[in-house]
Amino acid sequence: GDSVTQMEGPVTLSEEAFLTINCTYTATGYPSLFWYVQYPGEGLQLLLKATKADDKGSNKGFEATYRKETTSFHLEKGSVQVSDSAVYFCALSGRGGSEKLVFGKGMKLTVNP
Amino acid sequence: DVKVTQSSRYLVKRTGEKVFLECVQDMDHENMFWYRQDPGLGLRLIYFSYDVKMKEKGDIPEGYSVSREKKERFSLILESASTNQTSMYLCASSSTGTGYQPQHFGDGTRLSIL
Repeated sequence: GDSVTQMEGPVTLSEEAFLTINCTYTATGYPSLFWYVQYPGEGLQLLLKATKADDKGSNKGFEATYRKETTSFHLEKGSVQVSDSAVYFCALSGRGGSEKLVFGKGMKLTVNP
Repeated sequence: DVKVTQSSRYLVKRTGEKVFLECVQDMDHENMFWYRQDPGLGLRLIYFSYDVKMKEKGDIPEGYSVSREKKERFSLILESASTNQTSMYLCASSSTGTGYQPQHFGDGTRLSIL
């Protein structure tokens, strides 16, 4: 079945450091790919998405590019802030708006001032 | 803005009790989901529903049931709670439309079974 493998952490960075969180997937067909973020004490919220190969999703300074050839969707940010401390989940879904999501295990990021 | 409300943030119950977790969304979404979140395991889908009175099993339905009598409300039921059901439970909803419609999550219910 479909699956997502991501860096699990936890990871601690200093403010303004560069961030990369690796994510690879296994899926049949052409899934849509997502990064969700969970801030402390809250539910998940969509950070960015890409629905086809070579699409780049971006939001709040974060970026990820859908790489079909390497089945990857790595999350990057050039300069992290303390407010980026959260748990990050990579996820995929099949075609269609009602498909269920398959999540990676999540990675906890702590950014220190 | 979409709001998904879970009835309790924290809940403590005893082994063998019947437990109800309630979720309400205010955006007329067709789809609703129940996940549990455990350290090192990420999120796992328990059940989902794509319409009133419709439900489908997710990846870990054993020990759980669901009810969707109204479009805005999706209830998760632990028929006879056990300690291995201690977890964080997350509800989500999404609409059905062209292109991807994101899932919107509630803040979660942290359930402890003693």
